[in-house]
Amino acid sequence: EAGVVQSPRYKIIEKKQPVAFWCNPISGHNTLYWYRQNLGQGPELLIRYENEEAVDDSQLPKDRFSAERLKGVDSTLKIQPAELGDSAVYLCASSLGDSSYEQYFGPGTRLTVT
Amino acid sequence: GENVEQHPSTLSVQEGDSAVIKCTYSDSASNYFPWYKQELGKRPQLIIDIRSNVGEKKDQRIAVTLNKTAKHFSLHITETQPEDSAVYFCAARASGTYKYIFGTGTRLKVLA
Repeated sequence: EAGVVQSPRYKIIEKKQPVAFWCNPISGHNTLYWYRQNLGQGPELLIRYENEEAVDDSQLPKDRFSAERLKGVDSTLKIQPAELGDSAVYLCASSLGDSSYEQYFGPGTRLTVT
Repeated sequence: GENVEQHPSTLSVQEGDSAVIKCTYSDSASNYFPWYKQELGKRPQLIIDIRSNVGEKKDQRIAVTLNKTAKHFSLHITETQPEDSAVYFCAARASGTYKYIFGTGTRLKVLA
């Protein structure tokens, strides 16, 4: 079974530029998460999807961040414009939802804003 | 709000010794507690988990204990090996939601 796939793995951009990250969850996983992980910290939830519905986006900086999960499968996370403080690893994770507890992470996208 | 505290932030042990990492959660509705191992530059990997209806779970050299009354849970690694060196994160998930709150991580270093 393929794991969670993310691309790109690395991205370097100048501040004020836009950037987008893509995630393909494990097949059949209804719940999808985007996390931001700063160096030396635990993952912090940005947004959580149940199928195509964003059910928890309270931590998403909506002035510059947006996300979508069309058809309840793949998801994209966008930042526009990027700021220096956005440099971090952006992790996508998925789980079956319902009664399944296990959450599986993708390899992450390391974003560097210069 | 929901919070998970994790201690210590760094831990060095001699190869073959045991390591213990502790976490405390604030949301009494939490009912699922996973532990993740993250090696440098890699994704967090689930290594063991425990649900609130169980007090202890063991998988070879790794065990997790849960004290619901005190709202804390611990990861125990016995007979540590150099390949156990990594950052370990605890997390808590509340009943009825799929939202995970993570601890701040423990950097474990096993000295050969």
